[in-house]
Amino acid sequence: DAGVIQSPRHEVTEMGQEVTLRCKPISGHDYLFWYRQTMMRGLELLIYFNNNVPIDDSGMPEDRFSAKMPNASFSTLKIQPSEPRDSAVYFCASSPTSPHTDTQYFGPGTRLTVL
Amino acid sequence: AQSVAQPEDQVNVAEGNPLTVKCTYSVSGNPYLFWYVQYPNRGLQFLLKYITGDNLVKGSYGFEAEFNKSQTSFHLKKPSALVSDSALYFCAVRRGGGNTGKLIFGQGTTLQVKP
Repeated sequence: DAGVIQSPRHEVTEMGQEVTLRCKPISGHDYLFWYRQTMMRGLELLIYFNNNVPIDDSGMPEDRFSAKMPNASFSTLKIQPSEPRDSAVYFCASSPTSPHTDTQYFGPGTRLTVL
Repeated sequence: AQSVAQPEDQVNVAEGNPLTVKCTYSVSGNPYLFWYVQYPNRGLQFLLKYITGDNLVKGSYGFEAEFNKSQTSFHLKKPSALVSDSALYFCAVRRGGGNTGKLIFGQGTTLQVKP
């Protein structure tokens, strides 16, 4: 398996622009997680899905952020409008549903820079 | 509420010496505990986990961790450090039972192994 795939790997945009990050989870995994990593705040869970349904979005910082999972093999995280403080590395992770597993498999991340 | 503490921002060891990266947790009920490693410009990789059973858990790359319920700790250890072990290490926890849910990650500890 190719693992979790994220695109783009790097994104540079200007303040006010819309940014869309993409994720393809590992085939057969029922859970998908979006994280944000910064030096100041560390690793933060933004939202996670189970069987394409959002379960917990309490980590989404504000209404400018939205996430969707239209099918089992694709998810997007959108920021509109983007701001410089959104600059971070955004990770997608997936995990299977099975008792006593919980291992999350992380993608390589998208490094977002908002100028 | 669930929480994880990694009291050291950075751990420095000489190659060949034993290493310990500390982690303490707080969770109601039985904990599921994890260690992940992050190499520069990469996503997190799973190292090992404790779900139940033997308190000493062995994982990838020669790492092991010991679950200590009375001290609510899950320290990561390796008998002989390698320069290639230098990376950022994250401890994570979730409450046991039920299906896969979100993990709570610590702030991370940078391990620096010097030749």
